[in-house]
Amino acid sequence: AQSVAQPEDQVNVAEGNPLTVKCTYSVSGNPYLFWYVQYPNRGLQFLLKYITGDNLVKGSYGFEAEFNKSQTSFHLKKPTALVSDSALYFCAVRDLGNFNKFYFGSGTKLNVKP
Amino acid sequence: SAVISQKPSRDICQRGTSLTIQCQVDSQVTMMFWYRQQPGQSLTLIATANQGSEATYESGFVIDKFPISRPNLTFSTLTVSNMSPEDSSIYLCSATTGNTEAFFGQGTRLTVV
Repeated sequence: AQSVAQPEDQVNVAEGNPLTVKCTYSVSGNPYLFWYVQYPNRGLQFLLKYITGDNLVKGSYGFEAEFNKSQTSFHLKKPTALVSDSALYFCAVRDLGNFNKFYFGSGTKLNVKP
Repeated sequence: SAVISQKPSRDICQRGTSLTIQCQVDSQVTMMFWYRQQPGQSLTLIATANQGSEATYESGFVIDKFPISRPNLTFSTLTVSNMSPEDSSIYLCSATTGNTEAFFGQGTRLTVV
């Protein structure tokens, strides 16, 4: 079965510093990986995806993610954190062999302090 | 991308009653899903809404409790039946087309009293 894991419940960074939110995956075949962000009382917003191609994927709001096949990781990054980036972040994998279902990690709460 | 409208956005219901949540997509989509989420927690897939046939439920979820309809390629409903306080949660509708990302509605925050 396909799965993703987010090892950190919470990440704290100072505004202006770089941020990293970690995700590792376990899939059979080629992984379809995604990052979503959720603000309080809102649905999930798509940030970026890796399907194939360049290992460095650029997405919305200045976020990017690096796909690393040898480490089975797909970490979310941003060079300069903003207070407004504070939210809940989810990594997800799409299981093409199981009715295209999406499976989500446990979520990481990002706190950016001024 | 697809825009998903979900309603109601929130409701407070008496135990033993049922609530139907509607999900409308602004374009035809291949797959529609229903999730449950406790605030601040991860998403749990309830079922896949299949157009023209019965929904496919995940382990721990049954049709009698969570009947789902999908009469066409842009609309689905989820009913939470015979509600108890344990059903209090956020319910999210999601849709996708082809091999793209999934899009989400804003969610329905349900409180059962």
